[in-house]
Amino acid sequence: KAGVTQTPRYLIKTRGQQVTLSCSPISGHRSVSWYQQTPGQGLQFLFEYFSETQRNKGNFPGRFSGRQFSNSRSEMNVSTLELGDSALYLCASSHLQGAGANVLTFGAGSRLTVL
Amino acid sequence: AQSVTQLDSQVPVFEEAPVELRCNYSSSVSVYLFWYVQYPNQGLQLLLKYLSGSTLVKGINGFEAEFNKSQTSFHMRKPSVHISDTAEYFCAVSGNQFYFGTGTSLTVIP
Repeated sequence: KAGVTQTPRYLIKTRGQQVTLSCSPISGHRSVSWYQQTPGQGLQFLFEYFSETQRNKGNFPGRFSGRQFSNSRSEMNVSTLELGDSALYLCASSHLQGAGANVLTFGAGSRLTVL
Repeated sequence: AQSVTQLDSQVPVFEEAPVELRCNYSSSVSVYLFWYVQYPNQGLQLLLKYLSGSTLVKGINGFEAEFNKSQTSFHMRKPSVHISDTAEYFCAVSGNQFYFGTGTSLTVIP
């Protein structure tokens, strides 16, 4: 079956703009999580959605938001972009909600560059 | 609180030599531990996981890891590496969310 699909793969924005990233999970997976990956910081958890509801949120400012649709596809939005938002944004889907013994399947990521 | 420390940021090793990637964790709840690999321009792929039972877990691509509760470690080993093993490796612990280490860059030298 198809894996986790993230679009776009690469994008360049300027400071102050906003961006929307999309993630289509594996068919049947109802949980979608988002991570920010930067050199030296590793992966930082942004938020998790399950059945269209945000279930958990990491320590990021309110400029970072997301949503999930009834078909489990998810989008994340970053408003008022800053240079420090340049990163690889990874989406992961799973069958179960939360972490615990859950296994995440990652997409290839969306690489955002903010100029 | 939970956290993961990967003790080596970069590990160079010659082809066909053994390698160990080190991971220490802290957790106040039940421990579930994972190793993921990331190849250039790709997402993370699960290599192996410890959920319960035997402390020695075997994964894909010839990797294995040992859960050591007393030392709060989950080091991963491979007896003979190949050029294709060159990648970034992440250790993770899960609780209410996943916590990832900052990664170990493994470079296999021909």
